[in-house]
Amino acid sequence: DTGVSQDPRHKITKRGQNVTFRCDPISEHNRLYWYRQTLGQGPEFLTYFQNEAQLEKSRLLSDRFSAERPKGSFSTLEIQRTEQGDSAMYLCASSPPGGTEQFFGPGTRLTVL
Amino acid sequence: DQQVKQNSPSLSVQEGRISILNCDYTNSMFDYFLWYKKYPAEGPTFLISISSIKDKNEDGRFTVFLNKSAKHLSLHIVPSQPGDSAVYFCAASGVDNFNKFYFGSGTKLNVKP
Repeated sequence: DTGVSQDPRHKITKRGQNVTFRCDPISEHNRLYWYRQTLGQGPEFLTYFQNEAQLEKSRLLSDRFSAERPKGSFSTLEIQRTEQGDSAMYLCASSPPGGTEQFFGPGTRLTVL
Repeated sequence: DQQVKQNSPSLSVQEGRISILNCDYTNSMFDYFLWYKKYPAEGPTFLISISSIKDKNEDGRFTVFLNKSAKHLSLHIVPSQPGDSAVYFCAASGVDNFNKFYFGSGTKLNVKP
């Protein structure tokens, strides 16, 4: 399967713990995006990378959140000191050079107890 | 601030009939619009898009109409099939940043056999 993959698919953690999610984009896609989706809402933009450069961050991305894409391939999203309000589906997407469509992965569902 | 709105949380249609899903936006800088379909436990899947230079785009059973003056777009599915049952998201991006998609809250379509 050559689609966007995300790991883990589900994560349950206790408030105050740190969590890290991984996204592997489609091969040769140079742009990578992170979104957050809560119940009953559409995906909300968090940040995006072109190759290894993080070009935009939403104000939703508080200082507890950090994203990296060190080699321009896979990306990680870390949430420090998780709060119950962080419970959501975290979606990753990628786009090819020159393309406008974003291809989404299956998401990581985070539950903070 | 919800810049893309889908005011109908759900829609039920008989198989073979037309499904019409609506979407409104507020930002006049949006110039590219997309529809995504989402099944449970999967990420959103691209369905169809339209640029602001057009008012209609067709792909098989799916047609998207854009009314720029009304800041309104709609997705028509004809004929509807039970496999079309899913949540449909409208998304938009702007001339100033085509990488940042703004999503509506989704409409859950149920096509009854």
